Amino acid sequence: DGGITQSPKYLFRKEGQNVTLSCEQNLNHDAMYWYRQDPGQGLRLIYYSQIVNDFQKGDIAEGYSVSREKKESFPLTVTSAQKNPTAFYLCASSTLAGRNTGELFFGEGSRLTVL
Amino acid sequence: KQEVTQIPAALSVPEGENLVLNCSFTDSAIYNLQWFRQDPGKGLTSLLLIQSSQREQTSGRLNASLDKSSGRSTLYIAASQPGDSATYLCAVNQAGTALIFGKGTTLSVSS
Repeated sequence: DGGITQSPKYLFRKEGQNVTLSCEQNLNHDAMYWYRQDPGQGLRLIYYSQIVNDFQKGDIAEGYSVSREKKESFPLTVTSAQKNPTAFYLCASSTLAGRNTGELFFGEGSRLTVL
Repeated sequence: KQEVTQIPAALSVPEGENLVLNCSFTDSAIYNLQWFRQDPGKGLTSLLLIQSSQREQTSGRLNASLDKSSGRSTLYIAASQPGDSATYLCAVNQAGTALIFGKGTTLSVSS
């Protein structure tokens, strides 16, 4: 089936550790995105990528890093520099027509808890 | 900077009622607007996408309208059912950016 796969679904991390969240899509979409969701705050953009080997910072990129070595994959690393990493992380992808983003498809999310 | 607002934050209705969810945005220079549904602990599911040149889109019992000049969109749900209970989010697409989301409206439909 076509779609977006995020893993792991649940992740526990000790303070000071880096963790990497996986996001893979088989929709042949050019653009991929990472959002963070906190209760009462809605979705906030961390990073996005419109083409392989290129990505842009979103509103809350500090303490996070990404790579886009393959069209299908857009992993997110939550570093020890992220002061409050406990949250629900959502990956998404879409087609692009110039600057017009197509319909956004989301993965099921990864819930990160810092102990 | 674009801001997206959804009112009300929460809504409770009895089964069978028709209802309207509201979304407003501050900058009318958008390419499209999208409505999503999110169930607790899950990812988002796309419901409707309205291009800036369109006035409305329909899918089953859902109808979304867009008034770009006034910075407003509405999602109309006809004959609501308990299975419609979820959080509904709208998001706008501007040139060169990723989608900007509102905080959502949490809908509860009682049987």
